[in-house]
Amino acid sequence: EPEVTQTPSHQVTQMGQEVILRCVPISNHLYFYWYRQILGQKVEFLVSFYNNEISEKSEIFDDQFSVERPDGSNFTLKIRSTKLEDSAMYFCASTGQGRVEKLFFGSGTQLSVL
Amino acid sequence: QKEVEQNSGPLSVPEGAIASLNCTYSDRVSQSFFWYRQYSGKSPELIMSIYSNGDKEDGRFTAQLNKASQYVSLLIRDSQPSDSATYLCAVPLSGGYNKLIFGAGTRLAVHP
Repeated sequence: EPEVTQTPSHQVTQMGQEVILRCVPISNHLYFYWYRQILGQKVEFLVSFYNNEISEKSEIFDDQFSVERPDGSNFTLKIRSTKLEDSAMYFCASTGQGRVEKLFFGSGTQLSVL
Repeated sequence: QKEVEQNSGPLSVPEGAIASLNCTYSDRVSQSFFWYRQYSGKSPELIMSIYSNGDKEDGRFTAQLNKASQYVSLLIRDSQPSDSATYLCAVPLSGGYNKLIFGAGTRLAVHP
């Protein structure tokens, strides 16, 4: 079965540093998402992306965050100046439809900000 | 604020029993509802979706929806230790098919 691939699986960074989390969505999918989950808490929506632009974003997704689809396969989440509270598991997801009925999640990147 | 509420558990059931997981949601116009399973340290995995009032069965899983009561449940029959996980209820934000709102999840423990 096709899958969403995320790299790296773990990322450790110092507070204030920039990080880029990478995702390769399923090849024929057109809708891409980032979610995050702080340890012990809910899975939270960050942003959705379609046709090379953001469709919707949450209050969490402030100016420190950005997303990009630099080529035909990768989808990235950049955090410009990381804070301690950005420590979380970040999940990329994609779907081929314009709806979330069948959302495929990647295995996640565990981000630790020290 | 649109919310999805679940009892955090843990819900402990013996192997072979029926596990019953519940979820309430605040958005009256929600039309679709999803149950995800999440093993510790892993990503959510879709196990059931339901769109109409009533029951929907898939193998050992049955989803039940009551839109009037804004209530959706998941029954797991013949529970197995491998079913031990956190079960997340998820609802798209009304009219926004781009945004899935998750409940905090119910941790299920199936003991032999």
